[in-house]
Amino acid sequence: QTVVTQEPSFSVSPGGTVTLTCGLSSGSVSTSYYASWYQQTPGQAPRTLIYSTKTRSSGVPDRFSGSILGNKAALTITGAQADDESDYYCGLYMGSGIWVFGGGTKLTVL
Amino acid sequence: EVQLVESGGGLVQPGGSLKLSCAASGFTFSGSAMHWLRQASGKGLEWVGRIRSKANNYATVYAASVKGRFTISRDDSKNTAFLQMNSLKTEDTAMYYCTRLDEQLLMFDYWGQGSLVTVSS
Repeated sequence: QTVVTQEPSFSVSPGGTVTLTCGLSSGSVSTSYYASWYQQTPGQAPRTLIYSTKTRSSGVPDRFSGSILGNKAALTITGAQADDESDYYCGLYMGSGIWVFGGGTKLTVL
Repeated sequence: EVQLVESGGGLVQPGGSLKLSCAASGFTFSGSAMHWLRQASGKGLEWVGRIRSKANNYATVYAASVKGRFTISRDDSKNTAFLQMNSLKTEDTAMYYCTRLDEQLLMFDYWGQGSLVTVSS
């Protein structure tokens, strides 16, 4: 069974930079997994931030960026703002129409 | 304006059935692949399954956790996707979201607000 790993929680100071990662329990994440990132605030549906590893969705500020770091996908927030405090999820495309998502990272901005 | 509106959620006993609907507007539904995801309270997102367009033979695929119990279908004349859930278990309790996947970009670009399913006796 494929497990996608994310840090359960992270904290960043306002104006600071934070990198969240998305890995696989066995193996490395590459661009072939078309990693995507989602932001979710309590009571709301997810919002797609990044798709295909590094492409920002329409309207997403450029302080959000996606990449591959080592053997993981990564979401970097540069110049964090208070309203970036959210849950962040990554999703990986496994092929044949199948997707797997991580357990999410709760980001605190303080 | 693009909208995805889920409906049909509610309280059901273990072993029971429920059918969710996802009504779409504002984009070409008939040409779109539609996916269902779910999220238990306080937990992460879980992909449930998808149905492709008529051009792709309405192909479906499911997560192992629901395969054989859940069925995804669609009615392109009504711009609606469905999730039929049978043999429900307490662990199926979750908010269920429908979402459209842009298959060229591999991007979930539109999301509904969700429909809550509670499986309890």
